[in-house]
Amino acid sequence: QKEVEQDPGPLSVPEGAIVSLNCTYSNSAFQYFMWYRQYSRKGPELLMYTYSSGNKEDGRFTAQVDKSSKYISLFIRDSQPSDSATYLCAMSERGTYKYIFGTGTRLKVLA
Amino acid sequence: SQTIHQWPATLVQPVGSPLSLECTVEGTSNPNLYWYRQAAGRGLQLLFYSVGIGQISSEVPQNLSASRPQDRQFILSSKKLLLSDSGFYLCAWTVSPDSPLHFGNGTRLTVT
Repeated sequence: QKEVEQDPGPLSVPEGAIVSLNCTYSNSAFQYFMWYRQYSRKGPELLMYTYSSGNKEDGRFTAQVDKSSKYISLFIRDSQPSDSATYLCAMSERGTYKYIFGTGTRLKVLA
Repeated sequence: SQTIHQWPATLVQPVGSPLSLECTVEGTSNPNLYWYRQAAGRGLQLLFYSVGIGQISSEVPQNLSASRPQDRQFILSSKKLLLSDSGFYLCAWTVSPDSPLHFGNGTRLTVT
């Protein structure tokens, strides 16, 4: 079993839709959770960073962490064609130097 | 603000040739530095990380090596490339193990 599972997609949605991207994990020691957006042939760009259960909002993006279920989500409201990219979740244990990544979900927002 | 530079952006090398990829970080001191490789559908594979000059931790035993000759410089090398070394190589940094990673724009390496 992989430490982090992420549906690879692709996920296609119409412009303006609410998008839900998800990751599950098996290591209960993970305390820090990140979401990255990666455009083709570019490095991943940090979107959200959180270290506690609950919701964190930044503009059209909301990150949700449920440690009891070992489940994290990224919601994108009013999705735009420019949101079309691969979204990676990542997580780490407190005090370690290792970050574990999901395989990424490809998102296509259709105009 | 902090920036990370990685070069070259693309590289085509024959099998058996050497490799040197360089990464530098500006605007911060004593960063933790990382090399990842990304293959299609397989996510990011951690290759090396460094918490200080001359301190290198290897995660994947293979024909790659890393060095950190200066505080904000991280180099990925190989003496003889294999076909299986093809991929997208990403350098990243963080200020502490409890902070998020920040990535460069990567080097796409094709070994022919």
